Amino acid sequence: AQKITQTQPGMFVQEKEAVTLDCTYDTSDPSYGLFWYKQPSSGEMIFLIYQGSYDQQNATEGRYSLNFQKARKSANLVISASQLGDSAMYFCAANTGNQFYFGTGTSLTVIP
Amino acid sequence: GAGVSQSPSNKVTEKGKDVELRCDPISGHTALYWYRQSLGQGLEFLIYFQGNSAPDKSGLPSDRFSAERTGGSVSTLTIQRTQQEDSAVYLCASSPTFPGREQYFGPGTRLTVT
Repeated sequence: AQKITQTQPGMFVQEKEAVTLDCTYDTSDPSYGLFWYKQPSSGEMIFLIYQGSYDQQNATEGRYSLNFQKARKSANLVISASQLGDSAMYFCAANTGNQFYFGTGTSLTVIP
Repeated sequence: GAGVSQSPSNKVTEKGKDVELRCDPISGHTALYWYRQSLGQGLEFLIYFQGNSAPDKSGLPSDRFSAERTGGSVSTLTIQRTQQEDSAVYLCASSPTFPGREQYFGPGTRLTVT
């Protein structure tokens, strides 16, 4: 079975610092997609970044980058220059075939 | 443009009653997804539609759950004979294609079964 593991239930980061949120996945399928979503306290899910299993380069979207280490089955999210508005739950997710799998999330708090 | 909308935003129902949750995706998006988020948990994938077709219904938690999509647009998730463990936020998302690089989520329906 596919599985997403986020081992950090809660993280704190100083404003303007960088932070890495960990994610590992378990799949035997060679073709898959990896995603990160943000869920603020208001509840809406916001797409942040996508990485395909065949993509050669790590994905980047503004202040977000995905550190994709295929052999380790790791897809960590790096947020640079943290802002107060980054405080939220962050979910790592994967898609293989017809299925989507989400981790249990990491709660990030940015400290002024 | 309009995003994904869901109705109702909140639903309180008695155990044993049937409920219908509605999702209106972004116009032109062929793929539509239903998820369930229990309190403090991640998302549980339930089902997706490509057009009006749901190729894989194995993610539905039980045979009390069903979903349909008509006209390649609006989708309804129906829960029959609701149980207390069905209490959760039900999220709908859509994307231009399946599986898509990005899903656009609606605000969710908070279902409480008393």
